[in-house]
Amino acid sequence: DTGVSQDPRHKITKRGQNVTFRCDPISEHNRLYWYRQTLGQGPEFLTYFQNEAQLEKSRLLSDRFSAERPKGSFSTLEIQRTEQGDSAMYLCASSLFQGAVFTGELFFGEGSRLTVL
Amino acid sequence: AQSVAQPEDQVNVAEGNPLTVKCTYSVSGNPYLFWYVQYPNRGLQFLLKYITGDNLVKGSYGFEAEFNKSQTSFHLKKPSALVSDSALYFCAVIPLRGNQGGKLIFGQGTELSVKP
Repeated sequence: DTGVSQDPRHKITKRGQNVTFRCDPISEHNRLYWYRQTLGQGPEFLTYFQNEAQLEKSRLLSDRFSAERPKGSFSTLEIQRTEQGDSAMYLCASSLFQGAVFTGELFFGEGSRLTVL
Repeated sequence: AQSVAQPEDQVNVAEGNPLTVKCTYSVSGNPYLFWYVQYPNRGLQFLLKYITGDNLVKGSYGFEAEFNKSQTSFHLKKPSALVSDSALYFCAVIPLRGNQGGKLIFGQGTELSVKP
């Protein structure tokens, strides 16, 4: 079990540039989540997928943010025209959803830290 | 608004003493409740959860938590703290029983420091 992996672990970029983060979930997990965490705060939900379908997006996710999970396996989170306020840790998590009710826990990656200068 | 509160930014405990990390929630319906731990340079790790049944739930590394519906609390406890328990602890909820999204709402975290 290789766990949830995220790449890159650290990204430093200049304001206005585009960045993309990748997440590889646990292979048998059908749900994938993106969260954002800033210093001193708990993770904030951004969006989630079930297989390749994006089922929910937070209002935090502005038009500059887009996430995809094209084949229901890995996912990418792209931020266009980055702003200094986008500086944060971007967390990916996955889970296995079976049946009508979700009762299981999320498995998190180590995160991708973004610094926008 | 649905929210989770962890009233203490930091908890300091001597090794061997009992520890409590507090969590209260404000959500509609009957929530699912979770505790996660974050060690330095590591991802969030699941500790335990309350879905239904016995109000006292046991989890990993000797931790347990007590669900109190009347006080809307879910405090994390351990009878005897270890230095290795030092980490950042997050309480989280899924607001609605039967919520198929599984979207967690997290508290702001509590830094636990256990000194020898």
